[in-house]
Amino acid sequence: AQSVTQLGSHVSVSEGALVLLRCNYSSSVPPYLFWYVQYPNQGLQLLLKYTSAATLVKGINGFEAEFKKSETSFHLTKPSAHMSDAAEYFCAVSVLTYKYIFGTGTRLKVLA
Amino acid sequence: EAQVTQNPRYLITVTGKKLTVTCSQNMNHEYMSWYRQDPGLGLRQIYYSMNVEVTDKGDVPEGYKVSRKEKRNFPLILESPSPNQTSLYFCASSLATSGGYNEQFFGPGTRLTVL
Repeated sequence: AQSVTQLGSHVSVSEGALVLLRCNYSSSVPPYLFWYVQYPNQGLQLLLKYTSAATLVKGINGFEAEFKKSETSFHLTKPSAHMSDAAEYFCAVSVLTYKYIFGTGTRLKVLA
Repeated sequence: EAQVTQNPRYLITVTGKKLTVTCSQNMNHEYMSWYRQDPGLGLRQIYYSMNVEVTDKGDVPEGYKVSRKEKRNFPLILESPSPNQTSLYFCASSLATSGGYNEQFFGPGTRLTVL
């Protein structure tokens, strides 16, 4: 069965610093992987997705993620954090079906 | 404006009193799904629907019912709510291209409290 692990329920970075949010997945078949962002009191919106076309995926707001099959990872990065990036981030996996497994989320805090 | 709407946004009820949370989308999406979000547990899928009259269980379907009589609507029914169903609920929709790799569009959420 597939699963998703997000390391670190809370991450703090200084404004302008690198953002790194970790996601590891478990799947017996090639997965589809997603990163969603949730701003306070809102629903989730898609940041980016991996569907096997390219291992380095670029998303909105300057975020990107790299699919590493050997490490079963799909970490989210952004070179320079902005105050507006403060939100909760969720990694999710879908495997050939329409069942989705979400991670437990990482709350990003950006310090001025 | 393309959107997923949920009603009500906030609901406080008592144990055992049947309730329905409505979900509607205006994007002509085939796929719709319900999730619950709990602190420390992330989002967990309750039910999903591939198209009208086609529904299937997610990971936490116990205590919930759904129906898909129209393409745009996917109500979530709690026949006899219990306090452990206190949660934040999200409806989502997407196209249903084979494989499940389409972007899901989420509603604004319904915060349910069962006393």
